[in-house]
Amino acid sequence: EAGVTQFPSHSVIEKGQTVTLRCDPISGHDNLYWYRRVMGKEIKFLLHFVKESKQDESGMPNNRFLAERTGGTYSTLKVQPAELEDSGVYFCASSPFGAGGYTFGSGTRLTVV
Amino acid sequence: DQQVKQNSPSLSVQEGRISILNCDYTNSMFDYFLWYKKYPAEGPTFLISISSIKDKNEDGRFTVFLNKSAKHLSLHIVPSQPGDSAVYFCAANYGGATNKLIFGTGTLLAVQP
Repeated sequence: EAGVTQFPSHSVIEKGQTVTLRCDPISGHDNLYWYRRVMGKEIKFLLHFVKESKQDESGMPNNRFLAERTGGTYSTLKVQPAELEDSGVYFCASSPFGAGGYTFGSGTRLTVV
Repeated sequence: DQQVKQNSPSLSVQEGRISILNCDYTNSMFDYFLWYKKYPAEGPTFLISISSIKDKNEDGRFTVFLNKSAKHLSLHIVPSQPGDSAVYFCAANYGGATNKLIFGTGTLLAVQP
């Protein structure tokens, strides 16, 4: 079974630019989550999709962040325009409906300069 | 306001000895706790969990203890092996393993050969 795939693995952009992160969950997993870890701090929840619907987006920092999950498959997280404090590692995770724990992807390390 | 706290940023133990990683929480509504292990450049991987109705759960070399009155949990690794060297995250949630997780800041465990 393929795991959760995220790309790019690294992205360096200038302040004010736009970046789009992509996550491909494990096939058949209805639940998809985005998390972020800023250097040395806790891993923080951003939002949760159930299929294509946003179940909980209480962790999204502000309206510069836009997440979508087209057709309940892959998801994208767009940051526009990026600010210095957006730097960190963005993790995606998926889980099957009503069961078990998450499977995390390897993350995208975003550096805003 | 940090609801899940791991007050030890790092821990060093000798191979073969016991590793004890600690975690405190403040929200009495949490009813499910998990430990994740993270290697560099990888996503967190699920290690072991415990429901709030239990006080101990064991899986091979890994045991998690929960003290609800003290709002404290710990992860014991016996015997510790060099391959256990990683960052360990404590996480909690309100209802079932598919809901959003509240993570601690992590503890870096180094097991010395």
